[in-house]
Amino acid sequence: DADVTQTPRNRITKTGKRIMLECSQTKGHDRMYWYRQDPGLGLRLIYYSFDVKDINKGEISDGYSVSRQAQAKFSLSLESAIPNQTALYFCATSRDFDEQFFGPGTRLTVL
Amino acid sequence: AQSVAQPEDQVNVAEGNPLTVKCTYSVSGNPYLFWYVQYPNRGLQFLLKYITGDNLVKGSYGFEAEFNKSQTSFHLKKPSALVSDSALYFCAVRDPEVDDKIIFGKGTRLHILP
Repeated sequence: DADVTQTPRNRITKTGKRIMLECSQTKGHDRMYWYRQDPGLGLRLIYYSFDVKDINKGEISDGYSVSRQAQAKFSLSLESAIPNQTALYFCATSRDFDEQFFGPGTRLTVL
Repeated sequence: AQSVAQPEDQVNVAEGNPLTVKCTYSVSGNPYLFWYVQYPNRGLQFLLKYITGDNLVKGSYGFEAEFNKSQTSFHLKKPSALVSDSALYFCAVRDPEVDDKIIFGKGTRLHILP
């Protein structure tokens, strides 16, 4: 079984819709991250959490919100999706400031 | 603020030849440096890291990287490329004296030609 899972894997939605991307991990890590990947721009950090009560903004948090429901679960929400949020979204976990373990990604298309 | 640059969008290497993927960084303190690889339709996978110690770091799949403080570089290398090494490679940096974030480069696509 995969250590870091993301649902859904693909999603097409319309402008203005609310959408939630979910991430679960079985690695027992406290630290979890959400990134988006755009061609030519690499990975950019949206939000990160070092434990259930700790949420921090990343480079590009505007238009996004997160919820850390438990140590193993970290959700990313787009309250009102817009086309420039079309991207590949990755969740990652880490034990400390060490290597990160990435999920398989969610491909989101906003029409 | 910390930053990382991968000056080449794409690198082409013939199979069996040595490969180098370049990375330079800018930090105010002593950096934590990482390399990750992304295969098509997959998430990123950790290759290797430099935190402290020997400047030459060995990682997965025969890759290695050399930390050069004077040139602020952390180039990824492999002595003999395989076609299966074709992928997207990301360099990443953390400046522990600034904050907790890890910043990724824009990625370099490596093509190994048979």
